[in-house]
Amino acid sequence: LAKTTQPISMDSYEGQEVNITCSHNNIATNDYITWYQQFPSQGPRFIIQGYKTKVTNEVASLFIPADRKSSTLSLPRVSLSDTAVYYCLVGGFVSGYNKLIFGAGTRLAVHP
Amino acid sequence: NAGVTQTPKFRILKIGQSMTLQCAQDMNHNYMYWYRQDPGMGLKLIYYSVGAGITDKGEVPNGYNVSRSTTEDFPLRLELAAPSQTSVYFCASSHEPDTQYFGPGTRLTVL
Repeated sequence: LAKTTQPISMDSYEGQEVNITCSHNNIATNDYITWYQQFPSQGPRFIIQGYKTKVTNEVASLFIPADRKSSTLSLPRVSLSDTAVYYCLVGGFVSGYNKLIFGAGTRLAVHP
Repeated sequence: NAGVTQTPKFRILKIGQSMTLQCAQDMNHNYMYWYRQDPGMGLKLIYYSVGAGITDKGEVPNGYNVSRSTTEDFPLRLELAAPSQTSVYFCASSHEPDTQYFGPGTRLTVL
C-alpha cells in the first residue's frame, strides 16, 4: 500500500512558480502518480498523471526521478485562482483502485 | 455531457433516519466511487463499483450500502443515520481505475 507524504501547507505570490513535492517511498512497479486539485465546496479535479520522467500539460508539469520514490508538481506563474488543496495519489491497475488513498493534501495559498 | 451529478446538494437528517444519496454519470464509465470528506481532511473511500451489478467495500463502509443496477447510476444508502456520518459526500467515476471525475458533492448533517 503506497502511502504518500506532502507538506501540509505552502504560500506563494502571484506570478511565481510553485513546486509541491510528494514522497512515496514504497511505490509499486505498476503504480502511476496522479495529482488532483480541490477548491472549497467542490469535488477534486484531475490535474496530471505520470509514470516516470517528466509530463507536461496546459496546467502543470510533473517531475518524477528515476527511483520514483518522490514526485514534484510544478505550477508555473500561479494566480490567485490556484489557491486550493493539492493531493498526490499513487496507485493503478495492479495496486487496486480500492487502495487509492487521498491524504490531507497540501493547502496552497497564493497571495497578491 | 453533464459529467457526474449528485442530488441533493444539502440535507439535514435526524439521528436514526435513512436516506439515499443519488449519483449519476453520463460518460459511460465502468468505475464509480463514493467518498466522504470530513472538515480539513482528505477523502475516504466508502464503496466502489467496477460495473453494473458489481460493488465492493472501500476504507469506511460501515453504516452505508450501495447498489449498481445500471452503468449510469450508483446510489449510496444511509441506514440509521448517526452524527458521525455528518460529512460531505462525493461521488466519482472513471474509465480507468485511477483518473477519476468527481461530482459537486452532497453536504449531509445528522442532528
